[in-house]
Amino acid sequence: NAGVTQTPKFQVLKTGQSMTLQCAQDMNHEYMSWYRQDPGMGLRLIHYSVGAGITDQGEVPNGYNVSRSTTEDFPLRLLSAAPSQTSVYFCASSYSGGLADAYEQYFGPGTRLTVT
Amino acid sequence: AQSVTQLDSQVPVFEEAPVELRCNYSSSVSVYLFWYVQYPNQGLQLLLKYLSGSTLVKGINGFEAEFNKSQTSFHLRKPSVHISDTAEYFCAVRQTGANNLFFGTGTRLTVIP
Repeated sequence: NAGVTQTPKFQVLKTGQSMTLQCAQDMNHEYMSWYRQDPGMGLRLIHYSVGAGITDQGEVPNGYNVSRSTTEDFPLRLLSAAPSQTSVYFCASSYSGGLADAYEQYFGPGTRLTVT
Repeated sequence: AQSVTQLDSQVPVFEEAPVELRCNYSSSVSVYLFWYVQYPNQGLQLLLKYLSGSTLVKGINGFEAEFNKSQTSFHLRKPSVHISDTAEYFCAVRQTGANNLFFGTGTRLTVIP
């Protein structure tokens, strides 16, 4: 298994540009999520999904869109990038159910985004 | 809602010395607790988790944590640290029956030779 993969690893955008951060998992996990990591602030939840066709907002959803058309993929879209969105973005996935293993989230390697 | 407090943003410690990284949580419902480690320029890796049962939880790399419900704490300990333990450590909480994780702000552990 490749686990959770993210592309690209690094990206530089100009203010106002749009882009999509890709996330895929091959573990058949129902739950997927996006976090952003900023110095001194830990990881904050942006959006999450509990299955294909179902998404919901986390703590800091403004400026980001998501969709979940398949179990495997959960892309994060920035429609009009702003310098405040400079951050490291992590995708994570887990089972969603009653198994003990359901409670571990697996993280991707991250995407480092700079908006100038 | 849940929240997590990691009071120490940075902890320097000499090699082979013991270390404790503190974590306190706040929640009105029962929760699961986690410690994750992030090595430089990498993603997060699970160190250990508390779901139920014994309050002393052992994880990878010689780390352990103790769940204290009365003090709402989940402190991480290692009796003897190595240079390779230099990393950022995150405590996280998850409401039972839910999926979303809430993270603390992290503690940067630096092991000094």
